[in-house]
Amino acid sequence: DVKVTQSSRYLVKRTGEKVFLECVQDMDHENMFWYRQDPGLGLRLIYFSYDVKMKEKGDIPEGYSVSREKKERFSLILESASTNQTSMYLCASSFDGIQPQHFGDGTRLSIL
Amino acid sequence: AQTVTQSQPEMSVQEAETVTLSCTYDTSESDYYLFWYKQPPSRQMILVIRQEAYKQQNATENRFSVNFQKAAKSFSLKISDSQLGDAAMYFCAYRARRRTGTYKYIFGTGTRLKVLA
Repeated sequence: DVKVTQSSRYLVKRTGEKVFLECVQDMDHENMFWYRQDPGLGLRLIYFSYDVKMKEKGDIPEGYSVSREKKERFSLILESASTNQTSMYLCASSFDGIQPQHFGDGTRLSIL
Repeated sequence: AQTVTQSQPEMSVQEAETVTLSCTYDTSESDYYLFWYKQPPSRQMILVIRQEAYKQQNATENRFSVNFQKAAKSFSLKISDSQLGDAAMYFCAYRARRRTGTYKYIFGTGTRLKVLA
C-alpha cells in the first residue's frame, strides 16, 4: 500500500515565523500535491510538483512556497506565517494524472 | 473554468438504508476522470470510486455505485445498506488538464454524511 506521511498531525506557530510542513511518500510517485482544507471551502490546491525540482502553482499559492529536492519528499513553506493560514493541510501523491491520489493524515496548523 | 459543486453540505441516513450524494461539474473537456473520496473523522482521505468519462457503464465498488450522466454533467454517489462506518465527509473531485499539459484535481466543498443507528 502507498504510504504518504506528513511530519506532524498538529502544529502551533506564531505570526511571522517561517513554517515547514514535510511530506514523504514511499511509492516512487511522480506527482505530489499540497492542499488546504477549510470548512465550507473543500480542498484547495496550493502547489503541486510533477517531478523533482518541478512545480506549478495551484489556486491559492500566495504566502506559500514549496521544495522538492528528492522525488519522495515535498515540503510546503509558509514564508511568514499569518493567522489566516490557520487550517488543515493535506499532502497527496499520485503515480500519474490518471491514477487516484493517495493522501496523508493531514497537519492541523494553528498560527497564533 | 472547471468547477465541481456539491449542493448538500450535510445528509443523514438510517443504518441499512440507501442514500445518494449529489455532485455536478462544469467542463468543456470530453475526456476526463471523476472521483469520490471519503474522509472519516480525524482519519485519512481515501478513494471510494472512480469513473472514466469515456465509459458509459456506471462504476460500482461493493455497496458504492455512481450514477454518471455525462450530458447533464452529474456524478452522484449511491451508498446501499449504509453502515455506521460510512459516516464521513465525502468529496467529489474532477481531474482537469492544465494549460501546461499537466493535471490537477478540483474538489467540491464536501457532503458530511451522518449514519443513524
